Amino acid sequence: NAGVTQTPKFRVLKTGQSMTLLCAQDMNHEYMYWYRQDPGMGLRLIHYSVGEGTTAKGEVPDGYNVSRLKKQNFLLGLESAAPSQTSVYFCASSYSPAGGVYNEQFFGPGTRLTVL
Amino acid sequence: GENVEQHPSTLSVQEGDSAVIKCTYSDSASNYFPWYKQELGKRPQLIIDIRSNVGEKKDQRIAVTLNKTAKHFSLHITETQPEDSAVYFCAASYRTGNQFYFGTGTSLTVIP
Repeated sequence: NAGVTQTPKFRVLKTGQSMTLLCAQDMNHEYMYWYRQDPGMGLRLIHYSVGEGTTAKGEVPDGYNVSRLKKQNFLLGLESAAPSQTSVYFCASSYSPAGGVYNEQFFGPGTRLTVL
Repeated sequence: GENVEQHPSTLSVQEGDSAVIKCTYSDSASNYFPWYKQELGKRPQLIIDIRSNVGEKKDQRIAVTLNKTAKHFSLHITETQPEDSAVYFCAASYRTGNQFYFGTGTSLTVIP
């Protein structure tokens, strides 16, 4: 099992460009999450999904869109990148919701995004 | 929503000493408190967790304590080793919640 994978690992964008980050998991998890990690800010939730075809906003959703067309994939889109979106992005998945029993979140390796 | 505060932001200890990281939470409805460890350049990984019906949990050199009345929980690492050097995150979630609320992290350095 590959667990949770993310592509790409690194990306440099110019302001105003768009891109999509792909997260894939092979653990048949219902719940998937996108976080951004900035120095001194911890892990902040951008969007999450409680199942195929569903998405919900997290703590910092502005400037991002997501889609969950297939259970195993969760896509994060930046329509018009801004320097403030320079960050490390982590995807995570879990079998149960955060308040559930089997709720351990398994993280992907991260994507380092720089917006110039 | 829930607000989780974590202290200290950085911590240096001598190898063999103990390290303690503390977190407070704001919402008494939170009932699950995991701790994640993130080594440099790696992904966060769960190392220990505790639920609100338990006051303390141990796993070898690490332990977590929970004080529901005061709304705080702590990570204790004994006999620290250089490989314990990492960033540690605490988090909290509600029984019916879909998300974790993370603290801002503690960078632990164990000096050989």
